[in-house]
Amino acid sequence: QSALTQPASVSGSPGQSITMSCAGTSSDVGSYDLVSWYRQYPGKAPKIIIYEVTKRPSGVSNRFSGSKSGNTASLTISGLQAEDEADYYCCSYAAYHSYVFGTGTRVTVL
Amino acid sequence: EAQLLESGGGLVQPGGSLRLSCAASGFTFSHYAMSWVRQAPGKGLEWVSSVIAGGTGTYYADSVKGRFTLSRDNSKNTVFLQMKNLRVEDTALYYCTKDLYFEWRGFDVWGHGTMVIASS
Repeated sequence: QSALTQPASVSGSPGQSITMSCAGTSSDVGSYDLVSWYRQYPGKAPKIIIYEVTKRPSGVSNRFSGSKSGNTASLTISGLQAEDEADYYCCSYAAYHSYVFGTGTRVTVL
Repeated sequence: EAQLLESGGGLVQPGGSLRLSCAASGFTFSHYAMSWVRQAPGKGLEWVSSVIAGGTGTYYADSVKGRFTLSRDNSKNTVFLQMKNLRVEDTALYYCTKDLYFEWRGFDVWGHGTMVIASS
């Protein structure tokens, strides 16, 4: 159960779009459309922003979008805002009834 | 509004035991899988364990298998995580989570967490 690989940090200016990756294997991301993404502010619990690779829960801004290609999933934030500065984690179902999280990406708004 | 309230964390010596509880409200508890996710200080998220809606299937991360036991009481809307033989590396904030509409699709409700510290 090795963690999915995410870039440690991504940054962008207000209004720009940024994309972060989530690299897994054929045993997790590559085999299942069960990737979810979470945003976490310091000292707060995570909040789901994407599930099943591309779906947004009710109330989540359409500035967030997800995709997947092969063993890598991606999260794009469009129209970057100051409130988007946070940690982001991907998560995937993995073989044999388990979840695996990504290493996390710190987003900085310049 | 769906809510989860964890309790039972604390300071324990390595090798000791703790039992975490998670009380759920605001949703039909018996219809959903429930999970625990932990976060060591300054570190990322780690899935710990999940129990399916009916309670007959429980699953564990390799790091806790054989030491942790997850159970649920659907009559009390509560899940329990029994932790034995705790190690220093189990020190973390433990979040109780509700799975999405079906198992293995992610976590749409999170509690505030309960802190477990394994230290001598």
